[in-house]
Amino acid sequence: DSGVTQTPKHLITATGQRVTLRCSPRSGDLSVYWYQQSLDQGLQFLIQYYNGEERAKGNILERFSAQQFPDLHSELNLSSLELGDTALYFCASSPHGGGLHEQFFGPGTRLTVL
Amino acid sequence: KNEVEQSPQNLTAQEGEFITINCSYSVGISALHWLQQHPGGGIVSLFMLSSGKKKHGRLIATINIQEKHSSLHITASHPRDSAVYICAVSRLVFGKGTKLTVNP
Repeated sequence: DSGVTQTPKHLITATGQRVTLRCSPRSGDLSVYWYQQSLDQGLQFLIQYYNGEERAKGNILERFSAQQFPDLHSELNLSSLELGDTALYFCASSPHGGGLHEQFFGPGTRLTVL
Repeated sequence: KNEVEQSPQNLTAQEGEFITINCSYSVGISALHWLQQHPGGGIVSLFMLSSGKKKHGRLIATINIQEKHSSLHITASHPRDSAVYICAVSRLVFGKGTKLTVNP
């Protein structure tokens, strides 16, 4: 158990809908990272928050947004969902803000868009 | 060309064999991360390294910054080592992973 929690574990929804994925980092970790893993793409970095502020942006679509709250939990909002958004979404946490540091991954949310 | 290339894509071994998984990258980095993804999907960090070699149990990771290359070795492989091994470099770019299957 990494200490990172993600909810829900599974989510099935329809095209055009909007969903929110939630992540609680390990106690004391200030950074939260979001990743998307689809079958054909492997792991793709979406976005990082550090202590409430956006720190780094990866391949995040404009239909997706994220935020980190004062209690350090984070939410990833996916809107106008398309079939291609079907994927595993992981969050990870780290005590650090910059550079590459060991990250602790949550169990993932499996999103299926029908 | 991908910034991070892993080889082989798939690897099947017999229990007890010595395994090597390679990761090459084309950008300058400060650190490299090896991850293990279990068949159930969970991801575990194995090593962070920026130079030389690190060892943890039967796992050894090496990196050559000048040659832009890292290797992950597994000694005395075991069926429980069956997983996808992924390397990532410091701009959070990931290789596509190496799927390892160790047969008893």
